[in-house]
Amino acid sequence: EAQVTQNPRYLITVTGKKLTVTCSQNMNHEYMSWYRQDPGLGLRQIYYSMNVEVTDKGDVPEGYKVSRKEKRNFPLILESPSPNQTSLYFCASSFYQGNTDTQYFGPGTRLTVL
Amino acid sequence: RKEVEQDPGPFNVPEGATVAFNCTYSNSASQSFFWYRQDCRKEPKLLMSVYSSGNEDGRFTAQLNRASQYISLLIRDSKLSDSATYLCVVNQRTFYGNNRLAFGKGNQVVVIP
Repeated sequence: EAQVTQNPRYLITVTGKKLTVTCSQNMNHEYMSWYRQDPGLGLRQIYYSMNVEVTDKGDVPEGYKVSRKEKRNFPLILESPSPNQTSLYFCASSFYQGNTDTQYFGPGTRLTVL
Repeated sequence: RKEVEQDPGPFNVPEGATVAFNCTYSNSASQSFFWYRQDCRKEPKLLMSVYSSGNEDGRFTAQLNRASQYISLLIRDSKLSDSATYLCVVNQRTFYGNNRLAFGKGNQVVVIP
């Protein structure tokens, strides 16, 4: 089954404790990205990757890191989480970043930073 | 002006009725347009792309008006299962030549029995 998976789905952590949210897709997609969704703000892109070893900042990259060492995986790293990073996070992938490509979203990771 | 603007609603719609809403976008160079559906606390899923000539998929009709820079979604014969948030998504080129997606905050639709 074609899908995007994220782990963990739910996480409660404390300020400053490094964490990684994994994202994996089995569709051989080139383009992957991370979004956060907050009430009243909608979906905002954090980072994206056009292919292996190619990443770039989105609209709200501060406090996050990413890596793309393999085509299928695109982990999101919070080196020192803070309460303002409490949010719902979605990973997404598409075959290409082209105009008409459907974005496939993972199920989401709900992160709470205390 | 925000890149993509939507009236969040909620739009309370009696079952069987028709509901329509618009989304405006600020970048006149935008290339592609989409409607995504998002159920509460779930991931967004593509509902339909929006083509220049307008397109229909069952009870759903999407229209694009480039001159006025808005897209619309119309849902006919609303079902209870149509209750969701409908996200307007616009694809546009960045200064560096990459494509990026801009999301609206969504139109919340509540279909009432």
